[in-house]
Amino acid sequence: GQSLEQPSEVTAVEGAIVQINCTYQTSGFYGLSWYQQHDGGAPTFLSYNALDGLEETGRFSSFLSRSDSYGYLLLQELQMKDSASYFCAVVSGNTGKLIFGQGTTLQVKP
Amino acid sequence: DVKVTQSSRYLVKRTGEKVFLECVQDMDHENMFWYRQDPGLGLRLIYFSYDVKMKEKGDIPEGYSVSREKKERFSLILESASTNQTSMYLCASSLGSGANEQFFGPGTRLTVL
Repeated sequence: GQSLEQPSEVTAVEGAIVQINCTYQTSGFYGLSWYQQHDGGAPTFLSYNALDGLEETGRFSSFLSRSDSYGYLLLQELQMKDSASYFCAVVSGNTGKLIFGQGTTLQVKP
Repeated sequence: DVKVTQSSRYLVKRTGEKVFLECVQDMDHENMFWYRQDPGLGLRLIYFSYDVKMKEKGDIPEGYSVSREKKERFSLILESASTNQTSMYLCASSLGSGANEQFFGPGTRLTVL
């Protein structure tokens, strides 16, 4: 079967660093994506890792280890606006089909 | 900017009704997707299409069908709505083969009574 595991909730304070982990078991793995979704909003793309290593985009970084079937999203200098749900998603096949995890709700406190 | 629009933000239907959810994208994307989102379950793929008139089943196609007659439009059809199809429905599109970023519409919250 295909499955992704990520924590359901994470809480952190403004200015801190938080890491959201994702482990996966899938076939036809092409890469790992991360999406952000604010309450009532649409998911928006954050990052994509096809190869092992760290990808940095501003305050957000994403890491992939294909041998460990593991990735994480790192959010630095947390801001209140980062409070949202974060989904890891495996890109499966060359059609770009996504298999999503259940999502992690991040609450940033003052 | 890519824009993905969905025909309704909120929809209320009766059990047994035929329901059409429409999605339109304006960036000439090849791929289009329909998901449903339920609390604690994340987004689950219902159907996707990688070309006009082409469709493939996702993880939960039962009770749904789709239509893609034009490149920009992808319709999700509930042949006979049931209460367990009450959910948020999200449409997405991506550029084409190898594209790793999907662009999502605002969603349709469907309630089946």
